[in-house]
Amino acid sequence: ELKVEQNPLFLSMQEGKNYTIYCNYSTTSDRLYWYRQDPGKSLESLFVLLSNGAVKQEGRLMASLDTKARLSTLHITAAVHDLSATYFCAVVTSGTYKYIFGTGTRLKVLA
Amino acid sequence: EAQVTQNPRYLITVTGKKLTVTCSQNMNHEYMSWYRQDPGLGLRQIYYSMNVEVTDKGDVPEGYKVSRKEKRNFPLILESPSPNQTSLYFCASSLSNSGGPLFLYEQYFGPGTRLTVT
Repeated sequence: ELKVEQNPLFLSMQEGKNYTIYCNYSTTSDRLYWYRQDPGKSLESLFVLLSNGAVKQEGRLMASLDTKARLSTLHITAAVHDLSATYFCAVVTSGTYKYIFGTGTRLKVLA
Repeated sequence: EAQVTQNPRYLITVTGKKLTVTCSQNMNHEYMSWYRQDPGLGLRQIYYSMNVEVTDKGDVPEGYKVSRKEKRNFPLILESPSPNQTSLYFCASSLSNSGGPLFLYEQYFGPGTRLTVT
């Protein structure tokens, strides 16, 4: 069964601290997507990682992809309250157009 | 403004009463998809469409139908809704490459439709 697992599921951290969210997937996939969802809102795209070794950064967030290990990380640097949200990773199974999402990591940044 | 719209945003209905949730995008995207979001389960894909008249099942298609007669519209149909279809539904669209290796760009999501079936 194809699975996308995120760790941790919940994360409460102090402002200014660094932390990493992990996304493991169980099938071959050449690309990985990260999305953000604010409470009561829809999802918005953060990153599309296209190949092994890809790294993308936007502000305090940096995402990377290791397709051999089937692992993506979302690193948060010097967290601020505005980053409080739920973060989802997703993959598209190779050879299909079918998306599989992780269950999400709910991040709360405390002032 | 580039956007994905869904209607209605909120719907309370009764078991067995057919309903349709509409989804429309104005970005000329080939790919469209429906998801349901339930607490603790993340997003699960219901159906997706690669282009007009091309649809395929996602992970949880049972109890749902879709159609793609026009590129911009992708309605979700519940022929006989049941309480276990109470959920938050999202429509999304994205560009895809034409020719060459399979590739989907990032998805743009609609605002969501909260459905309650009693």
